[in-house]
Amino acid sequence: GAVVSQHPSWVICKSGTSVKIECRSLDFQATTMFWYRQFPKQSLMLMATSNEGSKATYEQGVEKDKFLINHASLTLSTLTVTSAHPEDSSFYICSARFRGPVYNYGYTFGSGTRLTVV
Amino acid sequence: RKEVEQDPGPFNVPEGATVAFNCTYSNSASQSFFWYRQDCRKEPKLLMSVYSSGNEDGRFTAQLNRASQYISLLIRDSKLSDSATYLCVVKTNAGKSTFGDGTTLTVKP
Repeated sequence: GAVVSQHPSWVICKSGTSVKIECRSLDFQATTMFWYRQFPKQSLMLMATSNEGSKATYEQGVEKDKFLINHASLTLSTLTVTSAHPEDSSFYICSARFRGPVYNYGYTFGSGTRLTVV
Repeated sequence: RKEVEQDPGPFNVPEGATVAFNCTYSNSASQSFFWYRQDCRKEPKLLMSVYSSGNEDGRFTAQLNRASQYISLLIRDSKLSDSATYLCVVKTNAGKSTFGDGTTLTVKP
């Protein structure tokens, strides 16, 4: 259980275009979704935290107008990279928090999206 | 100083070896601790949670030292399939996760 489906797995886009990445929880309700970015040979860096039905909280240094996050339902969160540039090329990955007992919560990752902007 | 720091690695060990990774954290309010495994170009996968009393899962043993603010992962009898990057993850009660940079392990025949 607790599977998050993320797609697309990889995408190549032209500079200046926008790309939408979806994360969908298949068998549970994801009250909280975390979006990460990972550059080669580096660790995952948290970009933003989104709670269903409210605005996302962005980490320092992450442009909220560039990385639009929508968490309109308990099973779907999206990250849109607007006006993408080559420096936005990275591995984007979501992580969903289970809804469950306080002492038994968990986090599950999507499979990631490799974005290449040319 | 980073919030979460790991042994830089890489660790290159022969099959059957025992290897240990350490991870230190700076936020004393951290509540939950985990080790994740990440294969190349894949998403991280939870390896094990780390409990205050220490816990073991087969060949893997995790320990937490709150006083010194570090966690450790011990892998016994290394297998080729253990080759991966191991990420230390520290979470606050609010659910914010901070990842270490990861330690790369290569197990060789």
